[in-house]
Amino acid sequence: DAGITQSPRHKVTETGTPVTLRCHQTENHRYMYWYRQDPGHGLRLIHYSYGVKDTDKGEVSDGYSVSRSKTEDFLLTLESATSSQTSVYFCAISEKSSGTFQQFFGPGTRLTVL
Amino acid sequence: DQQVKQNSPSLSVQEGRISILNCDYTNSMFDYFLWYKKYPAEGPTFLISISSIKDKNEDGRFTVFLNKSAKHLSLHIVPSQPGDSAVYFCAATWGTGNQFYFGTGTSLTVIP
Repeated sequence: DAGITQSPRHKVTETGTPVTLRCHQTENHRYMYWYRQDPGHGLRLIHYSYGVKDTDKGEVSDGYSVSRSKTEDFLLTLESATSSQTSVYFCAISEKSSGTFQQFFGPGTRLTVL
Repeated sequence: DQQVKQNSPSLSVQEGRISILNCDYTNSMFDYFLWYKKYPAEGPTFLISISSIKDKNEDGRFTVFLNKSAKHLSLHIVPSQPGDSAVYFCAATWGTGNQFYFGTGTSLTVIP
């Protein structure tokens, strides 16, 4: 358990509304990630952060923005939600030690856009 | 373009037998590979990894094999147990490990 929580765990919203998902970690990890999981696509990276106020785009970043004002919190915002953004969203942190990498994932947020 | 591919969406195996899950990649820059297990309604959990300087890594019932020339890795589970029933994802990264690329997953069912 890497101390990662996500909120909310479930959300239903309407097309065109803004949505913010929160990821919180308790262990001061530098790298944080947002993924979405969809059938037939596996896990796809949306955005990631390598420090406070340092973020970069992943492979499916269109329609999403992120912010990281504190080490422990990484926010994912859908400025105007669309039905194609219905998905399960996972936050993750990564660790590197002695040449090995690991990623630890949060429990996920199921988002439905009607 | 999918850089990490798992071509078998599902696999069924009898309890006690070997489960072999396969993964192929296209990016020759990848030098570190990981396997994750995912149960429904939970986040993926790390299972085992391998660096490109090795061709095999073992952890209990789980062994990962890497064939760099074929850009192929496999996860062997021996013996398979019903609790191993889950979706398995392979992932790859390179260099400083800033980004991880995941396959589409294989759903393993171990039949008691």
